[in-house]
Amino acid sequence: EVQLLESGGGLVQPGGSLRLSCAASGFNFRSYALSWVRRAPGKGLEWVSSISGSGGDTYYADSVKGRFTISRDNSKEMLYMQMNSLTVEDTAIYSCAQGWGWFDPWGQGTLVTVSS
Amino acid sequence: EIVMTQSPATLSVSPGERATLSCRASQSVSGNLAWHQQKPGQAPRLLIYGASTRATGIPARFSGSGSGTEFTLTISSLQPEDFAVYYCQQYNNWPRTFGQGTKVEIK
Repeated sequence: EVQLLESGGGLVQPGGSLRLSCAASGFNFRSYALSWVRRAPGKGLEWVSSISGSGGDTYYADSVKGRFTISRDNSKEMLYMQMNSLTVEDTAIYSCAQGWGWFDPWGQGTLVTVSS
Repeated sequence: EIVMTQSPATLSVSPGERATLSCRASQSVSGNLAWHQQKPGQAPRLLIYGASTRATGIPARFSGSGSGTEFTLTISSLQPEDFAVYYCQQYNNWPRTFGQGTKVEIK
């Protein structure tokens, strides 16, 4: 069974940084692209970033480009998102998901709250 | 960026009735369209990809249709567990984009 488990969320001040992690299991990790998708309180889903299986190709939403960096460690079967220069608009539940076309499956998510 | 527009925003349906949800793309996405279901406190779940292919384990009462810019998700006979928010998502172009969601609520 494919499992994705996010961690690293929390409360951070505007301008601060946070690193999210996603532990994967149950599939051939290096063969799959992975993505981060977020949902702000009371809003819909927003794609954030995707990375190829090798890690050589990455894509970002304009809203996070230059501030967020997606990466992966295929030896540890881990996906990461380094988030810098956070703003209140980044407050959301961040979920990792398998794939970069359709997303399946999704993790439960980790809550990031940006507030002073 | 391709803008995905879903209608209606809220759909009130009685259990056992049919629900029809619409999704429109601002430009053609060919057949590269997925539907996801999200319930409160749960991770989203993929229902449909390729506009009409059910994901593994998805009941046959869920069906998708359409291509280009107009898509439909139909739930043939609503079950209590189907009351949720449904999102369409295009994966034809970067950035990937979602519709704003349709909430299916109990009438």
